[in-house]
Amino acid sequence: DTAVSQTPKYLVTQMGNDKSIKCEQNLGHDTMYWYKQDSKKFLKIMFSYNNKELIINETVPNRFSPKSPDKAHLNLHINSLELGDSAVYFCASSRGSSNYGYTFGSGTRLTVV
Amino acid sequence: SQQGEEDPQALSIQEGENATMNCSYKTSINNLQWYRQNSGRGLVHLILIRSNEREKHSGRLRVTLDTSKKSSSLLITASRAADTASYFCATDGLGGGADGLTFGKGTHLIIQP
Repeated sequence: DTAVSQTPKYLVTQMGNDKSIKCEQNLGHDTMYWYKQDSKKFLKIMFSYNNKELIINETVPNRFSPKSPDKAHLNLHINSLELGDSAVYFCASSRGSSNYGYTFGSGTRLTVV
Repeated sequence: SQQGEEDPQALSIQEGENATMNCSYKTSINNLQWYRQNSGRGLVHLILIRSNEREKHSGRLRVTLDTSKKSSSLLITASRAADTASYFCATDGLGGGADGLTFGKGTHLIIQP
């Protein structure tokens, strides 16, 4: 199936830990993104990345870092997790240029205890 | 800062009725998109309308865009129980896709059987 897949679906971890969320797309898209959805369902972009540039939302703490081993993958690393990091994280991809819809993964629900 | 504001925040109607959701945004856009999110799932792209378009149809969906008022509406005709979900508008700015989409707060639509 052509899709954006992210793992794990659920992640429960203690404060201070370091964790990663993996994302892969097999759509041949040029650009990948990470979004955070808070408890009020508000979606906020964290990063966008293509093979040329990484754009970081200035409000994202530097504890969050994207890693892209290749065009089809954009993983999210989070260091020193805090309670406020609890949210649902969505990976997405698009063809990069405007006027195309995005394809989203099914989300990773991160709970920091 | 948040770009879009959906109105209403929640809407409950009877099956078979039409549902209308509105979205306002603040800055210039390349296009505006609508997404659906079922509970606990990822976002699904519904329809995209370019800044030079005023109206677009897709099945039971009708989207309008008024760039002078910086607003859009999504109409779902002949609603079904399966349409129960949260609906988000998202704007694609003038950055050529690299900046990602900016989402509104969403409208939670409940279709009563």
